[in-house]
This record gives sequence, C-alpha cells and structure tokens, in this order.
Amino acid sequence: DTAVSQTPKYLVTQMGNDKSIKCEQNLGHDTMYWYKQDSKKFLKIMFSYNNKELIINETVPNRFSPKSPDKAHLNLHINSLELGDSAVYFCAASGGEGNTIYFGEGSWLTVV
Amino acid sequence: KNEVEQSPQNLTAQEGEFITINCSYSVGISALHWLQQHPGGGIVSLFMLSSGKKKHGRLIATINIQEKHSSLHITASHPRDSAVYICAVRQTSGSRLTFGEGTQLTVNP
Repeated sequence: DTAVSQTPKYLVTQMGNDKSIKCEQNLGHDTMYWYKQDSKKFLKIMFSYNNKELIINETVPNRFSPKSPDKAHLNLHINSLELGDSAVYFCAASGGEGNTIYFGEGSWLTVV
Repeated sequence: KNEVEQSPQNLTAQEGEFITINCSYSVGISALHWLQQHPGGGIVSLFMLSSGKKKHGRLIATINIQEKHSSLHITASHPRDSAVYICAVRQTSGSRLTFGEGTQLTVNP
C-alpha cells in the first residue's frame, strides 16, 4: 500500500476552471502538507494541517483552499485556475518516531 | 537569501566517484532531512538527522549543529543515483519545513 497517495497524477485544464487534488495517507500521522514545486524544482509549502486543524497558511492566493474531512485526508481545491498555477503539487504526511516525512507522488497540473 | 542553501546546484560525476552535496542553513532547527527526487517526480526521504551521522547503504549523511551545516555523501556512485537531492530543515518554531533549491546530480556510466 502506498503511504501517501494523491490523485490525479496528471491534470490538464483550462483557465478559469475549478479543480481538486485529493490526498490520502494510511500512516496514521497527525500532520499533512501541501507543497508546490515550480519550474525551477523549488518546493514551497502551501498549507499544513495538524489533526484537521490548519497550522500554517503561507501567502498563497485564496483561490487555493485545503479541505481536511478527517485526519487521513487533505484535499486541495483550486478555483478560477490561472496559467501561473501550472506546477507539480505534492502532498506529504509526517509524524511518528523520528517525525519522518513521506511524500505523495505528485500531481502535475497544467493550465492552458 | 534562502534560509537553506545547497551546493553545488548541479553536479556531474563518473560512475564510481565519491560525491558530496552540502547544505547550510541560517535558522534554528530541530531536524534536517535529505530528500531524493527522481526524474518522474516522486520524492523519497533518505535521512532525518538531528545530530551526528547516519549511514544507509552507500549513502552517508552528517550534520554539524554548531556550524549549521550538513553533508550528503554517496560512495561508489552509480547512474541510478542520478536525481535531485534536496535538503530541508524543520525549524524549531513550529513544524514548518524549509527547503533548499536542490542539487541535480548526474552520474555517467
């Protein structure tokens, strides 16, 4: 079983659309994250949830909204997509002994 | 200036060479992670360090807390080691991870 799984892996959509990326972790960890990786491969944190409570909200546009229905899920909703939103989005979870972080495989979003 | 700086940005080596990637940081940390990202994108955590040294196979990671510096070493490098290696620090002020910009390693046969 994949520790952190996110869907879809690839998403091509038009400007102005609303889309969601789902993330699920089966590790039982308390903390989940969404990261954006830009074209230069630089990872930047977008959101962090600790046991369903938002604890970090970096300065991302409010078109991006995380939704955590339970501890195992942290979904990312994006409204009114723009060309600059094209990137790879990574979900991650951390916790347990050593507080190791586990990443999902990434979701490649292309806005056309 | 980034809170986490890696060097070099790009590194090309011949198979069998000993490789070192460096990471320096300017913030207080509770832990430092080394991550590996292969072409195709998946990110894997290689090490998490809060002090000293860890070894896993041909990979060795060290950290010097006083000097705010960590190194990732790869012995007997192989083309399958070609990937982007990313240093990330967990700051003492919360659970936030701050990432370096990554080092692109290419190992030629």
